[in-house]
Amino acid sequence: KQEVTQIPAALSVPEGENLVLNCSFTDSAIYNLQWFRQDPGKGLTSLLLIQSSQREQTSGRLNASLDKSSGRSTLYIAASQPGDSATYLCAVWGSQGNLIFGKGTKLSVKP
Amino acid sequence: DGGITQSPKYLFRKEGQNVTLSCEQNLNHDAMYWYRQDPGQGLRLIYYSQIVNDFQKGDIAEGYSVSREKKESFPLTVTSAQKNPTAFYLCASRWGPSGAEAFFGQGTRLTVV
Repeated sequence: KQEVTQIPAALSVPEGENLVLNCSFTDSAIYNLQWFRQDPGKGLTSLLLIQSSQREQTSGRLNASLDKSSGRSTLYIAASQPGDSATYLCAVWGSQGNLIFGKGTKLSVKP
Repeated sequence: DGGITQSPKYLFRKEGQNVTLSCEQNLNHDAMYWYRQDPGQGLRLIYYSQIVNDFQKGDIAEGYSVSREKKESFPLTVTSAQKNPTAFYLCASRWGPSGAEAFFGQGTRLTVV
């Protein structure tokens, strides 16, 4: 059964710092991987989708990488801002056509 | 506006009552999903549907029911058999094949009173 793990569970950084969030999954036979952001009490906002044939995907200050063979993905956030404070969720598409989530990393960026 | 609409935003249920959460999408997406989110547990899949008139149980389907009579609608009923229904419920949809980008609604917070 696919399991997704995110480390660290929480992270606090000063504004302007570059940071990396980690995601690992146990079964490398995934379709794609998706990163989301969730603000308190809100739904999920899609940040990046990495297809299984891709190594990385970029959107603005965000860069996500995927290494299927090692079962890892990272989300790199450049020049962090207080507005980046949120919970970041990693999810992989399973063989049954559903998304399997990690428990998230709660990020706090302090001014 | 294109997107996924969940209603209501907040819902209160008395013990023993059934309640229905609405999820509507105007994205012409084929697949729709219901997830439950509890503090410290992450998102867990309740039900999903890949086409109209067909749906599959997820990891925690007991005490829940769904229907998919129209492509744009996927309501979730929380029955009295669900022993601990207080949670944040999220609906999602995606277009096309497995692995396409998924989009989420803003959620419904259900509280048992």
